[in-house]
Amino acid sequence: QQPVQSPQAVILREGEDAVINCSSSKALYSVHWYRQKHGEAPVFLMILLKGGEQKGHDKISASFNEKKQQSSLYLTASQLSYSGTYFCGTESNAGGTSYGKLTFGQGTILTVHP
Amino acid sequence: EAQVTQNPRYLITVTGKKLTVTCSQNMNHEYMSWYRQDPGLGLRQIYYSMNVEVTDKGDVPEGYKVSRKEKRNFPLILESPSPNQTSLYFCASSLSSYLQNEQFFGPGTRLTVL
Repeated sequence: QQPVQSPQAVILREGEDAVINCSSSKALYSVHWYRQKHGEAPVFLMILLKGGEQKGHDKISASFNEKKQQSSLYLTASQLSYSGTYFCGTESNAGGTSYGKLTFGQGTILTVHP
Repeated sequence: EAQVTQNPRYLITVTGKKLTVTCSQNMNHEYMSWYRQDPGLGLRQIYYSMNVEVTDKGDVPEGYKVSRKEKRNFPLILESPSPNQTSLYFCASSLSSYLQNEQFFGPGTRLTVL
């Protein structure tokens, strides 16, 4: 089952902040965040691992609540270049960890206007 | 240049005609994966491979085959394509077997099955 992302779409002015949420019905081992611009391949933003380790960009932050099976991506002081579709992907602990099996959400469309 | 390459980039074919989409990476990555992307459904994992000769099903493996005979190559085979396999396909690779590093995506292959 795909994780659920919210909101589905968000429109910002440059400099404004946004939060994108990702919620799973399964116990999670890790959460992965990617951004995709129109007509391009997804690009890595962040990995959050169970136990607190994070790997990713300096200017983008995220949280991972293991108990609630949720993750949030925080975009502060947004720039025009932040526009795109954001995807979270989850690795689940349920039924024995399936390392490497990544299930993505349906995406959140972020539009930043001048 | 470090990259993931896919061929062909565009393909129009007919129902039932076997086809192979190639994927190759030059980064000595352990992990490779195939995704399909359809509007409103995000990215869905088809198959993944954590090492040579090791492959596992993702969320939507039906109708697809893969093999990993060499570390650098991970071809996607459609033995008898059907119109519901019309989609945008991405191959990706990651440094470690256990998906604790970013995935690098190829440019995508747009497949149309008539």
